[in-house]
Amino acid sequence: AQSVTQPDIHITVSEGASLELRCNYSYGATPYLFWYVQSPGQGLQLLLKYFSGDTLVQGIKGFEAEFKRSQSSFNLRKPSVHWSDAAEYFCASNSNSGYALNFGKGTSLLVTP
Amino acid sequence: GAGVSQTPSNKVTEKGKYVELRCDPISGHTALYWYRQSLGQGPEFLIYFQGTGAADDSGLPNDRFFAVRPEGSVSTLKIQRTERGDSAVYLCASSSLPTNEQFFGPGTRLTVL
Repeated sequence: AQSVTQPDIHITVSEGASLELRCNYSYGATPYLFWYVQSPGQGLQLLLKYFSGDTLVQGIKGFEAEFKRSQSSFNLRKPSVHWSDAAEYFCASNSNSGYALNFGKGTSLLVTP
Repeated sequence: GAGVSQTPSNKVTEKGKYVELRCDPISGHTALYWYRQSLGQGPEFLIYFQGTGAADDSGLPNDRFFAVRPEGSVSTLKIQRTERGDSAVYLCASSSLPTNEQFFGPGTRLTVL
């Protein structure tokens, strides 16, 4: 079955430090891959997406993600975290013939001063 | 422009009651999706509309759940004989194919007492 795994339930980083959130997928073909952020009381906001082509994808708010087929991963990175980045982050995927997004369980990011 | 809107933002009901949750997608978006997000989990797909028809309702948990989109715009998710296990945040998203980027509403938090 198709699945998305986010191994880390909680991550704590200091403000200004770098960030990497992990995401692994399980699909037969190359899926479409997404990262969403959810702040308290807010809807899910798309940070970036990968459909094909360049494996390093740039998103909003200074985030980027790299698709690595050999590792079935699509990790999210940011070089310097800001306190406002504290939120829940979801990795999601779907096959290129399907429409329903399949979400991971999320990683909760805490940013300390 | 206006994003996806959902009403009500919160709904508290008693076990056994009937509830309706409304979603107003982004104007011109032909695809509409419903997801359910339980506490500590990622969103789970319920149903997908293309235009007025339900193209994929494989995520609906049982026949107490039903959704309509009679004019291809606003959608209503209907839950009969609510159970405590139905308590969750119900998310609606819309997209303009073929980009497949889904834009999410803020959700309706349903609490069944």
